Amino acid sequence: QVQLVQSGAEVRKTGASVNVSCKASGYSLSTHYMHWVRQAPGQGLEWMGITNPKNGKTSYAQKFQGRVSMTRDTSTSTVYMELTSLRSDDTGVYYCARAPKDTEGMDVWGQGTPVIVSS
Amino acid sequence: SSELTQPPSVSVSPGQTARITCSGDAVPKHFTYWYRQRPGQAPVLLIDKDVQRPSEIPERFSGSASGTTATLTISGVQPEDEADYYCQGADSTGSYTLFGGGTKLTV
Repeated sequence: QVQLVQSGAEVRKTGASVNVSCKASGYSLSTHYMHWVRQAPGQGLEWMGITNPKNGKTSYAQKFQGRVSMTRDTSTSTVYMELTSLRSDDTGVYYCARAPKDTEGMDVWGQGTPVIVSS
Repeated sequence: SSELTQPPSVSVSPGQTARITCSGDAVPKHFTYWYRQRPGQAPVLLIDKDVQRPSEIPERFSGSASGTTATLTISGVQPEDEADYYCQGADSTGSYTLFGGGTKLTV
């Protein structure tokens, strides 16, 4: 069945970077866009950006531009999200979620990757 | 403005109808999507393109949109519907995805 399986929890110091992976199975990675969504503890969903796995093109939320990078490896059906210069308010759960087109609904979500940033 | 506004909370009794709204200037320009999120779980798509319900979603969930407001309606609310609900849309240019702030449904 269609699944997105994310990498495990991460703990980082402020100023460090984190790289979260999202492996797709049950479908061809190139057929769907991939979003990244963040959720701080007790807070709502926050859109971070999107990548087109077919050509690697990306679009990032203004808030994260300059600190986020989304890439993909089609040979392993895996997409990656790297966030740099981590701050304590980057603590949260990071989700990948696929969508048929860039502004359409996200029909399959990963299980989430908790990231804790502390000094 | 490029924002989607939801009420922070809605409370209904079992069997009643719950309506959760999502308002924004860009709502008429782009489709609205709705998600349910239970504690400790990833969100689940409930309503696609304003009104379409995925096959696995119960018929008591429906969506509508009029003017600058989209609405998620849950008919015959059940205790297991207690969760957080989020709307998703796009900014006025259609370039960026937006989420509403979320609504906690208490049953």
